[in-house]
Amino acid sequence: KAGVTQTPRYLIKTRGQQVTLSCSPISGHRSVSWYQQTPGQGLQFLFEYFSETQRNKGNFPGRFSGRQFSNSRSEMNVSTLELGDSALYLCASSSRLTGTYEQYFGPGTRLTVT
Amino acid sequence: DAKTTQPPSMDCAEGRAANLPCNHSTISGNEYVYWYRQIHSQGPQYIIHGLKNNETNEMASLIITEDRKSSTLILPHATLRDTAVYYCIVRVDLAGANNLFFGTGTRLTVIP
Repeated sequence: KAGVTQTPRYLIKTRGQQVTLSCSPISGHRSVSWYQQTPGQGLQFLFEYFSETQRNKGNFPGRFSGRQFSNSRSEMNVSTLELGDSALYLCASSSRLTGTYEQYFGPGTRLTVT
Repeated sequence: DAKTTQPPSMDCAEGRAANLPCNHSTISGNEYVYWYRQIHSQGPQYIIHGLKNNETNEMASLIITEDRKSSTLILPHATLRDTAVYYCIVRVDLAGANNLFFGTGTRLTVIP
């Protein structure tokens, strides 16, 4: 079974621009979560989507948004980029919303804001 | 979710067992212990999880103390490819709560 895929793998943007990142979960997984990883803050939860609905949201400003499509693929958007948005953005998929479950992470998209 | 405490770093000789401790003294009865690891510049990888009983899979063993206030992840025969940051996470598995809170983890270095 193919793993979680994320595109693009690397991205360079300028302050003030916006960016869209894409995540394709493992086939059959309906939950997709997004995380930001920076050297200073570590791994932080952004939000989670299940069945095209946002179920959970971390403590990030409204510039960070996402959506999920009917095929469970998810996109994350960051508007008005700031230098501090430079990070590794990871998505993870899991098969169930209830009960015990493990999350499977993609390789991440490394975003650099200049 | 309960807080966890892990040593910042550990070394292990290749071929020996790596024992990574985690303290979660405030864990409540319905919280699970999860372990993930992150090899440099890759996404985190699920290793194992448990509630009360010890667990074993093809990657590792998880030993949870009887009072559940601490646990140990055991990699039975560490290889150089096990060099990574290991995260111990304690959480309740709730519907609609599919978010993980990663701490700083333990950086395990396997030495040849």
